[in-house]
Amino acid sequence: GAGVSQSPRYKVAKRGQDVALRCDPISGHVSLFWYQQALGQGPEFLTYFQNEAQLDKSGLPSDRFFAERPEGSVSTLKIQRTQQEDSAVYLCASSSDRIYEQFFGPGTRLTVL
Amino acid sequence: DAKTTQPNSMESNEEEPVHLPCNHSTISGTDYIHWYRQLPSQGPEYVIHGLTSNVNNRMASLAIAEDRKSSTLILHRATLRDAAVYYCILRDNQAAGNKLTFGGGTRVLVKP
Repeated sequence: GAGVSQSPRYKVAKRGQDVALRCDPISGHVSLFWYQQALGQGPEFLTYFQNEAQLDKSGLPSDRFFAERPEGSVSTLKIQRTQQEDSAVYLCASSSDRIYEQFFGPGTRLTVL
Repeated sequence: DAKTTQPNSMESNEEEPVHLPCNHSTISGTDYIHWYRQLPSQGPEYVIHGLTSNVNNRMASLAIAEDRKSSTLILHRATLRDAAVYYCILRDNQAAGNKLTFGGGTRVLVKP
């Protein structure tokens, strides 16, 4: 079946622009995660949803970052007034009740000029 | 989150075994040991996990020390497609959300 998909795969934004990154999880997966991966580093947790409820947003770096999953499936990560330090790959992952395995999408590479 | 320590990089020859060590001396009783790998330009993918006993699957084996303070991921016959960054991660089974805390990982180079 289809895996986790993310769009766009690449995004270039000018500093100060708002961006929206989309994640389509595997159908039926209850849990959804967002991670941020800077160049040469391991992914870092941003936020977690169980169905439509955002249960953990402790990793969001500032109030410019906002995530939603209104119907418990597709999720959107929004970054307002982008800064150069926001340049990174943003990864989405989903998991079912088999909670030990997260399935990752290919990521969206965001470059802020 | 409990911390893991891994070598920055390792090299292997194709079709030879690769042993990737991970130290986690502060592991707690409810921590599972997970391994993920990340191929170039892809998202991480699950490899294997365990609690106390050694584990085998089609991708790899996981050997866990008796005191659980270290573990080793074993790729039995490395192929060029195994070239990736391998992450050793501790997941607290009692924590809500099951988020993964990645470290720097070990970059594995496979030479033909």
